[in-house]
Amino acid sequence: SQTIHQWPATLVQPVGSPLSLECTVEGTSNPNLYWYRQAAGRGLQLLFYSVGIGQISSEVPQNLSASRPQDRQFILSSKKLLLSDSGFYLCAWRGPDFSYNEQFFGPGTRLTVL
Amino acid sequence: AQKVTQAQTEISVVEKEDVTLDCVYETRDTTYYLFWYKQPPSGELVFLIRRNSFDEQNEISGRYSWNFQKSTSSFNFTITASQVVDSAVYFCAPIINNAGNMLTFGGGTRLMVKP
Repeated sequence: SQTIHQWPATLVQPVGSPLSLECTVEGTSNPNLYWYRQAAGRGLQLLFYSVGIGQISSEVPQNLSASRPQDRQFILSSKKLLLSDSGFYLCAWRGPDFSYNEQFFGPGTRLTVL
Repeated sequence: AQKVTQAQTEISVVEKEDVTLDCVYETRDTTYYLFWYKQPPSGELVFLIRRNSFDEQNEISGRYSWNFQKSTSSFNFTITASQVVDSAVYFCAPIINNAGNMLTFGGGTRLMVKP
């Protein structure tokens, strides 16, 4: 079966510090991978998605970047965090074929920027 | 562009009551998928159901049922005999037939079930 991991689970960072959030998927190959952000009390916003190694599409111009160095690894980064980067970050995966389309989400990382 | 409306931002019911969560969407596609997700207080999104636009048959899974009406672009979710454990935020999320298969989330409905 497939599992998705995210770490860290929680993070408190000062403004201006760098960020690296990691997401890994097990039990599948060539997944589509996604990063979402959920601000407190609000809906989900798609940040990045990737259909393969080194292929990143950005949905929202911002202070963040993403990379996919390996097939089942997706990293969200920032060089200098802003207060507005606080939120709940969710990674998700979807299978590469079209037999199903649902995305499966990881446990999330709660980021607080002070 | 797609738009998903979950008009009920917050619903409060007493345990054992039935509750229906509404979802209305806009799309120009003739082929698409619809999803519901549950987000309990822990934060992780849990996949509940997938429905494709070709199948308008309503679905029941235990205490959960879904009513898909393509003519009115609605995909409503009903919980029968609600329980405290059903307390969560519920998201409706359609997906269009495109590369990346991006979900467009509604704003969510926070359901509070009181004992």
